[in-house]
Amino acid sequence: DTAVSQTPKYLVTQMGNDKSIKCEQNLGHDTMYWYKQDSKKFLKIMFSYNNKELIINETVPNRFSPKSPDKAHLNLHINSLELGDSAVYFCASSQARQGAHEQFFGPGTRLTVL
Amino acid sequence: GESVGLHLPTLSVQEGDNSIINCAYSNSASDYFIWYKQESGKGPQFIIDIRSNMDKRQGQRVTVLLNKTVKHLSLQIAATQPGDSAVYFCAENAASGTYKYIFGTGTRLKVLA
Repeated sequence: DTAVSQTPKYLVTQMGNDKSIKCEQNLGHDTMYWYKQDSKKFLKIMFSYNNKELIINETVPNRFSPKSPDKAHLNLHINSLELGDSAVYFCASSQARQGAHEQFFGPGTRLTVL
Repeated sequence: GESVGLHLPTLSVQEGDNSIINCAYSNSASDYFIWYKQESGKGPQFIIDIRSNMDKRQGQRVTVLLNKTVKHLSLQIAATQPGDSAVYFCAENAASGTYKYIFGTGTRLKVLA
């Protein structure tokens, strides 16, 4: 019954490694997002896809690459992980409603880079 | 335990009192605003929204007020309960109809028994 799910919930890895986070939504929404939340709880958008098309690409290092195989899935691959990548990453989805986009968030993936 | 949110503004209220959480925004192009609640270890959860053609909207125990003149948004929670303890975020769209939302810095609400 989970609306937006992410795996894994926790990810601990060494600097320099490559890792992926997966996200799935069963709400039938057209749009999905990745956000990064830092240690001060600041939440910042990274990417957004609408019907598998990239529509938002914020100033994010190109080590981060999103992929949307279909509109229910949005994955995030990170190459050459750095200490500063440690954060909680949230996936979200939305469906446009008269120009507004109420976003439904997943439970988050806490990434720790050692 | 977590060591996050050390610089997060905190509002402490007695159980049963009303809470008011404030948010300032700077983007004149924003026309849609949302309040989210984030409990520890969870993702943000939608509470209430308001469009710029309104100045007040009420939900169950929550009210959002929008003052476009001074670019100020507030969330009022009536009869605050322990379950209301969380971090609250306001979010605004970057422009009308856009998918991009900008989140405020967040306020931690602590409900004292």
